[in-house]
Amino acid sequence: EAQVTQNPRYLITVTGKKLTVTCSQNMNHEYMSWYRQDPGLGLRQIYYSMNVEVTDKGDVPEGYKVSRKEKRNFPLILESPSPNQTSLYFCASSPYRNEKLFFGSGTQLSVL
Amino acid sequence: GDSVTQMEGPVTLSEEAFLTINCTYTATGYPSLFWYVQYPGEGLQLLLKATKADDKGSNKGFEATYRKETTSFHLEKGSVQVSDSAVYFCALFTGGGNKLTFGTGTQLKVEL
Repeated sequence: EAQVTQNPRYLITVTGKKLTVTCSQNMNHEYMSWYRQDPGLGLRQIYYSMNVEVTDKGDVPEGYKVSRKEKRNFPLILESPSPNQTSLYFCASSPYRNEKLFFGSGTQLSVL
Repeated sequence: GDSVTQMEGPVTLSEEAFLTINCTYTATGYPSLFWYVQYPGEGLQLLLKATKADDKGSNKGFEATYRKETTSFHLEKGSVQVSDSAVYFCALFTGGGNKLTFGTGTQLKVEL
């Protein structure tokens, strides 16, 4: 089954404790992206990647890192999480230059 | 920059009522326009799209027409069902960075 898999589904952590949210897709898509969803703000892009070893900042990249060492994986790293990073995070992928995004089920992160 | 404006929710309707969710956009160039739907606890799914002026996208009884003169892409359905309860996001794509710009989302609640 074609899908985008994120883990974990829920995560509660404390300020400053490094964490990684994993994302994997099995559709051989070139493009992958991370969004955060906040009430009243919709979805905002954090980082995106056009292909392996190619990443770029989205609209709200501060406090986040990403890497794209393999085509299928695109982890989101929070080196020192802060409470304002409490949010619902979505990973998405698509074939290159195709507007249809395939979304994961989301990761609800709470930073205390 | 590019932006999408949606009507605020929640929108509460009775089953079989007519639905309209308004969406207007601001973009440079000629964007493609989309409606995505997010069911409770899930990621977003593409509902329909239109790639040029006067195109009509349709799926599952939902329709939206790309109106360049009014920069709008309103979502309509003639008879809603309880199973249509979800959050609906309007979005646009202009190609640069393969990025979708989302509206803030409109929650729809359909009651018996």
